[in-house]
Amino acid sequence: GAVVSQHPSWVICKSGTSVKIECRSLDFQATTMFWYRQFPKQSLMLMATSNEGSKATYEQGVEKDKFLINHASLTLSTLTVTSAHPEDSSFYICSAWGAQGDNEQFFGPGTRLTVL
Amino acid sequence: GDSVTQMEGPVTLSEEAFLTINCTYTATGYPSLFWYVQYPGEGLQLLLKATKADDKGSNKGFEATYRKETTSFHLEKGSVQVSDSAVYFCALRNSNSGYALNFGKGTSLLVTP
Repeated sequence: GAVVSQHPSWVICKSGTSVKIECRSLDFQATTMFWYRQFPKQSLMLMATSNEGSKATYEQGVEKDKFLINHASLTLSTLTVTSAHPEDSSFYICSAWGAQGDNEQFFGPGTRLTVL
Repeated sequence: GDSVTQMEGPVTLSEEAFLTINCTYTATGYPSLFWYVQYPGEGLQLLLKATKADDKGSNKGFEATYRKETTSFHLEKGSVQVSDSAVYFCALRNSNSGYALNFGKGTSLLVTP
């Protein structure tokens, strides 16, 4: 099946720094990638949808200047958490969709971000 | 807006027990319904899906039937194994939200030998 990777798998940073998370589709071209955020024992909440070569569409309540998303190629999307604060600590999950089959989304393993 | 409600976990069962994880939804129109499974340290994987009322999705011994009259998509398995221990997410996708998924909170399942 299709594989999506995320890097890093976990990161600890100081408050005020920026952190970049990569999401890669390893064996297919992802025309659309989604970024989700998951708090402990909570659901995955959609943050934004990004289509290759165009600006991301953010969900209501998600600050686009805080969470910068770039989808510059069909195999890579990045999420940058700018000026991170402790409340940004969470589990970030990406998924990728390409026109390769049954409209299925393939998920990355997630990135655990801890902001001190 | 659309929403998905799952039964609270964790659920602990002995091997070979019967499993039911309840899932109900609220949505306009005719959403597609999904169950995803997340094994420890891995990404979410699609377990099964149903795209219209009365459809039954099945995979690896798991089944779920899309019940429009009760707005439910309960997950069942007749005999669970230790290897089924994971977190299970019910989700829906509505055509008016593109391909984005709307998830329930997840139900943790632990199967003991």
